[in-house]
Amino acid sequence: DAMVIQNPRYQVTQFGKPVTLSCSQTLNHNVMYWYQQKSSQAPKLLFHYYDKDFNNEADTPDNFQSRRPNTSFCFLDIRSPGLGDAAMYLCATSRPGTPRTDEKLFFGSGTQLSVL
Amino acid sequence: AQKITQTQPGMFVQEKEAVTLDCTYDTSDPSYGLFWYKQPSSGEMIFLIYQGSYDQQNATEGRYSLNFQKARKSANLVISASQLGDSAMYFCAMRGPLDYKLSFGAGTTVTVRA
Repeated sequence: DAMVIQNPRYQVTQFGKPVTLSCSQTLNHNVMYWYQQKSSQAPKLLFHYYDKDFNNEADTPDNFQSRRPNTSFCFLDIRSPGLGDAAMYLCATSRPGTPRTDEKLFFGSGTQLSVL
Repeated sequence: AQKITQTQPGMFVQEKEAVTLDCTYDTSDPSYGLFWYKQPSSGEMIFLIYQGSYDQQNATEGRYSLNFQKARKSANLVISASQLGDSAMYFCAMRGPLDYKLSFGAGTTVTVRA
């Protein structure tokens, strides 16, 4: 089945130690997103790629970076994780249409990040 | 700017009963799309149902239906015949014609009791 896959499911890192979360998709979608979701809150968009074009949200800290080496893979790098970065990180994909009103997001299962 | 409001932080429902989750939105775009997602404790966001602003009929998908009242700017989700597996957090979301992202509401936690 075509899907969005996130690894690992749980990630534990130390305060200040760089960590990378990965996402892959078999849907061949143009757009890939990274969301941060803290407990019982709505997902918050960090950034997204439209093909190779990177789009950062204005309030995303510089500590968060992303890479998309090809259509299928996208990575989230946290350069120096702080305690406040502990959260669920969700990867999503979509295939944009015109207009984009009915563009549905397909989500992975998420990576739960803990910072010790 | 678009805004989605979900005023019910948590709800309890008895198994086999129906439950309505409220969602209101604010936008100046005449064209927009409304979505509902389910997020169980496992974390994955699962798409449930979609309603376009120009759709004449309310959307339905199995036990899910969307009560779309355009003049009131509301898009309530109705889950009929609740099952224990419906216990989850539910998010209402909206996208405008040029938006690259979904705007999510704060979510409603539903707990189904046996």
